Amino acid sequence: DGGITQSPKYLFRKEGQNVTLSCEQNLNHDAMYWYRQDPGQGLRLIYYSQIVNDFQKGDIAEGYSVSREKKESFPLTVTSAQKNPTAFYLCASTQGPKSNQPQHFGDGTRLSIL
Amino acid sequence: GQQVMQIPQYQHVQEGEDFTTYCNSSTTLSNIQWYKQRPGGHPVFLIQLVKSGEVKKQKRLTFQFGEAKKNSSLHITATQTTDVGTYFCAGREASDMRFGAGTRLTVKP
Repeated sequence: DGGITQSPKYLFRKEGQNVTLSCEQNLNHDAMYWYRQDPGQGLRLIYYSQIVNDFQKGDIAEGYSVSREKKESFPLTVTSAQKNPTAFYLCASTQGPKSNQPQHFGDGTRLSIL
Repeated sequence: GQQVMQIPQYQHVQEGEDFTTYCNSSTTLSNIQWYKQRPGGHPVFLIQLVKSGEVKKQKRLTFQFGEAKKNSSLHITATQTTDVGTYFCAGREASDMRFGAGTRLTVKP
């Protein structure tokens, strides 16, 4: 079955440490997105990529970095500059770049501070 | 910038009662999408509304898009325990899409 795979499901970060969240899709979708979800809040866009080797900042990009070297993969690095990284991180994709089609989400990664 | 407000934040109903969540945008939207997120799960697409005044139904769920394309609602008739979860709207203006904060629905059997 086609879908989006996020790993790990749970991740713990130590002070001053960078951590990378994996997102892989086999839907052959062009666009991929990273969202952060906090309790009582909606999904906030961190970064998105409409095509390989290109990505743009979303609303809350500070303290995060991404890469899009392959169509299938869009890893997110939470850097030590992100002072409040505890949240649920969701990766999504759409068939076309910034298309009006529905977003397909992965199962998410829950990041906590040690 | 575009803002999407969703109310209520929480709704607790007795099984069999109706439920409605409302979404309001500060700007005119090109379309609006609705998603459902079960507890511990990820958002799953329910429907997209595009036209002014559009109404769509999915079994017990009725979705409406306002005439001015600035507001939308999701109504569930006769809720069931399987309806529990958080319902999000996501409004698109040009190339930007913004999610509402969601309405968490709990259903008492």
